[in-house]
Amino acid sequence: EPEVTQTPSHQVTQMGQEVILRCVPISNHLYFYWYRQILGQKVEFLVSFYNNEISEKSEIFDDQFSVERPDGSNFTLKIRSTKLEDSAMYFCASTAGTTYYEQYFGPGTRLTVT
Amino acid sequence: AQSVAQPEDQVNVAEGNPLTVKCTYSVSGNPYLFWYVQYPNRGLQFLLKYITGDNLVKGSYGFEAEFNKSQTSFHLKKPSALVSDSALYFCAVRDRAGGGADGLTFGKGTHLIIQP
Repeated sequence: EPEVTQTPSHQVTQMGQEVILRCVPISNHLYFYWYRQILGQKVEFLVSFYNNEISEKSEIFDDQFSVERPDGSNFTLKIRSTKLEDSAMYFCASTAGTTYYEQYFGPGTRLTVT
Repeated sequence: AQSVAQPEDQVNVAEGNPLTVKCTYSVSGNPYLFWYVQYPNRGLQFLLKYITGDNLVKGSYGFEAEFNKSQTSFHLKKPSALVSDSALYFCAVRDRAGGGADGLTFGKGTHLIIQP
């Protein structure tokens, strides 16, 4: 069964550094998403991406964040200057279509900012 | 703005007994509703969804959920719990009136513990 994959599984970085989290969505899917889950809190939507551009973004997704689909298979989330409060589990998801299609999630990348 | 409430942080059930994990939602229009399960150190796995039609939907691993529009609820149920059902369960909603790429809004999750 096709799966969403994410690398790395755990990333430790120092405050102020840039990090790139990588995802490979399911191959025939069209919409891609990033979510985050701060420890002990709910899963929060960050951004959705379709047709090589951002479709929707939450208020969390400020100028320090960016997304890219560099090569037709990978989907990346870049955090330019990490802050302590960016420490969280980041999940990538993809879906075949809109609205009522279920999203399939990757295993997540745990980001620790020190 | 849409929201999801899961009123119980933890639900404890004896193996073989029926289980219910509660979820209520709030959207401006009509909802699409989803349940996901998260096992330790794993991503979220899709269990089931309500789109339209029959209010009782069946999903993976013997789980089902009942959509109740008047009570704005979408409780997850299973007739006979297994120890392997122990995990973190998330209810999620998106508004049908929203754009096609809207993200899901999740509840805070409910830990389900099945005791042997």
